This record gives sequence, C-alpha cells and structure tokens, in this order.
Amino acid sequence: DVKVTQSSRYLVKRTGEKVFLECVQDMDHENMFWYRQDPGLGLRLIYFSYDVKMKEKGDIPEGYSVSREKKERFSLILESASTNQTSMYLCASSFETDNQPQHFGDGTRLSIL
Amino acid sequence: GQNIDQPTEMTATEGAIVQINCTYQTSGFNGLFWYQQHAGEAPTFLSYNVLDGLEEKGRFSSFLSRSKGYSYLLLKELQMKDSASYLCAVRVYGQNFVFGPGTRLSVLP
Repeated sequence: DVKVTQSSRYLVKRTGEKVFLECVQDMDHENMFWYRQDPGLGLRLIYFSYDVKMKEKGDIPEGYSVSREKKERFSLILESASTNQTSMYLCASSFETDNQPQHFGDGTRLSIL
Repeated sequence: GQNIDQPTEMTATEGAIVQINCTYQTSGFNGLFWYQQHAGEAPTFLSYNVLDGLEEKGRFSSFLSRSKGYSYLLLKELQMKDSASYLCAVRVYGQNFVFGPGTRLSVLP
C-alpha cells in the first residue's frame, strides 16, 4: 500500500516564524506536490516537483518555497508565516505515467497566530 | 486558464442513485480523476477516465465526454458512509493536476 506521511497533523505557529512541513513517500514516485485546501476554494497547487532538486511553481507559490533533496522527501517552507497562510496543507505523490493517480497524505492543519 | 466546475452541495437518500457532474476547461487534457474525501481525511482515488465513455467500478461509475468537457460520477445504492466530498481533477500537460472545488454529498437515512 502506498504511504504518504506528513510530519504533523496539527501545527500552531506565530506570525513571522519560519515553518517547515515535511512529506515522505515510500513508493518511489517521481512526482510530489504540495496543496493547500480552503473551504469553497478546493485544492490549490503551491509547488510540485518531478525529480530530485527540480521544482515548479503552482498556482499560489507566493510566500512559500520547497526543497527536494531526496526522491522520497518533499518539504514545504513558509519563509515568514502570515495569518493568511492558516490552512490545511496536503502533500501528494504520483508516478509520472499519465494514468496514475495522486496519493495523498493525511494533511497538516496549520494555524498561524 | 484552467477552470473546473462542480456543484457545491448535494443531498440524497440512502439506497438511491446520485450523479455528480463536473465540467472543465483546461489547457491540455491527460485524463480525468475522481477522488473521495471524508471530513478531516486525505482524498482517496476513485476512478480515472481518459477516453470517452463509462468506466464502472462496483457501485461507482464515471463517464467522460472530451468534446463537451464534461464528466460525471454516478453512485448507486447509496450508503451512509458515502457522505463525503467528491473531487474532480484533470491532469493537464506536464505533470500537473487541476482540481475542482469539490461537491459535498450528504446521504440521509
């Protein structure tokens, strides 16, 4: 069974802090993704990566950066957290083949105070 | 640009059939995926369509019309556990997926 593991289910941080969200997958997937999910807005792509050390901006990359030093690990970094980054963050991974679905982690509910 | 539309909420009765529609306008198309997401949980994969027509998987079926930019998810013999959000997603060119806003389905006894 595919396992995508996010480091925290719940996280509370303060405005201005640097925040790290970690994601690890165990299925040797090429692609990894970070989304945020907000009521009424659905899943919005922040960044994705299709290979080690490669990254592509998604729809809402402002205020975020990512790191992929190893194939199985994809980190999302909030450089200076702000209250509008309070959200549910979902990590996903997939094979690069077109018909392969994404597999999601359980999500991190991040609150910025 | 990318745009995917779904109804926000639907309600149906246990044992009934419900159809959740999805329309899309995207720059590229490499397949359409449906996911189920229970409250507080991760989305899980339900079905995939890349060619026109109906794909059946037990109580769930999914239909695609590429010329119309339209898909639907059909749920038969509804059960209480089917109460969840259903997400429509299009894989566009490259490795990217674009998601719709999701449809929250409530199944009533």
